[in-house]
Amino acid sequence: DQQVKQNSPSLSVQEGRISILNCDYTNSMFDYFLWYKKYPAEGPTFLISISSIKDKNEDGRFTVFLNKSAKHLSLHIVPSQPGDSAVYFCAASAETSYDKVIFGPGTSLSVIP
Amino acid sequence: GAGVSQSPRYKVAKRGQDVALRCDPISGHVSLFWYQQALGQGPEFLTYFQNEAQLDKSGLPSDRFFAERPEGSVSTLKIQRTQQEDSAVYLCASSPTGVAVYEQYFGPGTRLTVT
Repeated sequence: DQQVKQNSPSLSVQEGRISILNCDYTNSMFDYFLWYKKYPAEGPTFLISISSIKDKNEDGRFTVFLNKSAKHLSLHIVPSQPGDSAVYFCAASAETSYDKVIFGPGTSLSVIP
Repeated sequence: GAGVSQSPRYKVAKRGQDVALRCDPISGHVSLFWYQQALGQGPEFLTYFQNEAQLDKSGLPSDRFFAERPEGSVSTLKIQRTQQEDSAVYLCASSPTGVAVYEQYFGPGTRLTVT
């Protein structure tokens, strides 16, 4: 059973608009969440993270929101740019095992010029 | 500076063959992680080293999978008697810290196809 879910396999957004990528998790022990971005033929690269003591973290055009009661997080990209087209992975970890990061299946974002 | 490198980038193996996948982490990085990424899925944890010690191998799917990091730098993931279900991208990541969650850098992966 998947502990980290990304129910939208793909998303298409017009350049300049907001992209919203969603992620749900089932394990209540998770207390640290990350988003990774992956281009074809490359490894994932870290984008932004959030600890469970916060409900929002912002870094430039990227903002992650965490709703602990709903076990839901989202990544907002504003404004979206064509270079943002990639696969985005949501990931989570628990303090009891920070050596192990659990990834979701990914959402492929296409930003249309 | 140089990132994490992996070789070969692509490997085709006949079912039953043994394969060895190499990972060169970023110099000085203490921790090294192996992941398996099946088509359409996210990376799945296989094993974790801190220096030369293998601290967690709970994700290795069977005893046909074996990983080593004898000098605390380069690591090799070996798969014996490959099966079709082993076809995947194998990702290596390294971290300057003792844990993955705060900072890990991924290599480009080795795509293994078992025919």
